[in-house]
Amino acid sequence: SQKIEQNSEALNIQEGKTATLTCNYTNYSPAYLQWYRQDPGRGPVFLLLIRENEKEKRKERLKVTFDTTLKQSLFHITASQPADSATYLCALVGGSYIPTFGRGTSLIVHP
Amino acid sequence: GAVVSQHPSRVICKSGTSVKIECRSLDFQATTMFWYRQFPKQSLMLMATSNEGSKATYEQGVEKDKFLINHASLTLSTLTVTSAHPEDSSFYICSARGLSGGASEQFFGPGTRLTVL
Repeated sequence: SQKIEQNSEALNIQEGKTATLTCNYTNYSPAYLQWYRQDPGRGPVFLLLIRENEKEKRKERLKVTFDTTLKQSLFHITASQPADSATYLCALVGGSYIPTFGRGTSLIVHP
Repeated sequence: GAVVSQHPSRVICKSGTSVKIECRSLDFQATTMFWYRQFPKQSLMLMATSNEGSKATYEQGVEKDKFLINHASLTLSTLTVTSAHPEDSSFYICSARGLSGGASEQFFGPGTRLTVL
């Protein structure tokens, strides 16, 4: 069955450092991969989308890589700030355009 | 980006009662709306997909007679949890897809916290 794995342990980093979050998947060939931010008690907010034929995507301080051979995506936040503290969700999207979500990884940026 | 609202943001009800949650796309027309449920520390689980004017498609294991979905207009979908029980307590999130229908064109509401006593 399809499986999406995100590190369940919270990632703690110091302000100004680069945060790197990992999303691994099995038994899936997504057309797209998305990253969302979710704050406590709130719905997800779309951040970035990367297609299967793209290796890397950037948006301001965010960078996403997508390796379809390794079945892995890395999500980077450079120059992290305490306001970046949240849970980050990885979602795989197939031909139906309906995202399937991972559990998310909590990021805590310490001042 | 486009805005999706949900009402109420939180609701507490007694076991056996029914609860209706509204999902609205405020500044765009949504041909398709999705309902998700999220338990603490868990991923969003898709419950059903609804297209305006037609019956919802439910995911495996989701009881359609318990979770009634109505998508009567291009800007409004409702989820009614009938005869709610404590195990239905969860965070319910809707999302809406615009007319362009692309993978990046799906916007999520702020969620509704349901607590059944």
